[in-house]
Amino acid sequence: DSGVTQTPKHLITATGQRVTLRCSPRSGDLSVYWYQQSLDQGLQFLIQYYNGEERAKGNILERFSAQQFPDLHSELNLSSLELGDSALYFCASSTRTAAYPHEQYFGPGTRLTVT
Amino acid sequence: LAKTTQPISMDSYEGQEVNITCSHNNIATNDYITWYQQFPSQGPRFIIQGYKTKVTNEVASLFIPADRKSSTLSLPRVSLSDTAVYYCLVASGAGSYQLTFGKGTKLSVIP
Repeated sequence: DSGVTQTPKHLITATGQRVTLRCSPRSGDLSVYWYQQSLDQGLQFLIQYYNGEERAKGNILERFSAQQFPDLHSELNLSSLELGDSALYFCASSTRTAAYPHEQYFGPGTRLTVT
Repeated sequence: LAKTTQPISMDSYEGQEVNITCSHNNIATNDYITWYQQFPSQGPRFIIQGYKTKVTNEVASLFIPADRKSSTLSLPRVSLSDTAVYYCLVASGAGSYQLTFGKGTKLSVIP
């Protein structure tokens, strides 16, 4: 158990719909990262927040957005869903004071299926 | 970002030592080398990280030669539960610490 929680575990929805994925980081971790893992694209970095502020953006589509709240939990919003958005979405957290700067703790993921 | 190259797959028998080599010719001065393990349908798990020479923890060792253009993850006496995908990542020690994952090496441990 990494200490990172993600809900829901599974999500099935139709094309054109909007969903929200939720992540609670490890206690004390200020950084939250979102990743998407699909069969054809592998594991891709989407976006990072640090203490409520956006810190870095990766291959995140304009239809996707995220935010980190004052209690440090984060939400990833996916809208106008397409079949190709079906994937595993992982949240990870880390502390910038870690001895290993790239030690991130990943949650169990949310499996999104768009039909 | 430095590109990494590692074998697509490897097979090993239980109890053997497994060495997975990663090539990263364009590694920059600020870059660290990090390895993650991923089981099917689970999030990646941090294994080990190093900058130069040798790093060892309770799970693995990481060997980095002086030129840092490659690195080798060593897993001692693997068991069936070590069957997983292993990712080699090179990322800057400064900035946002985002991770760029490649294809990884699928390690299959055979009884």
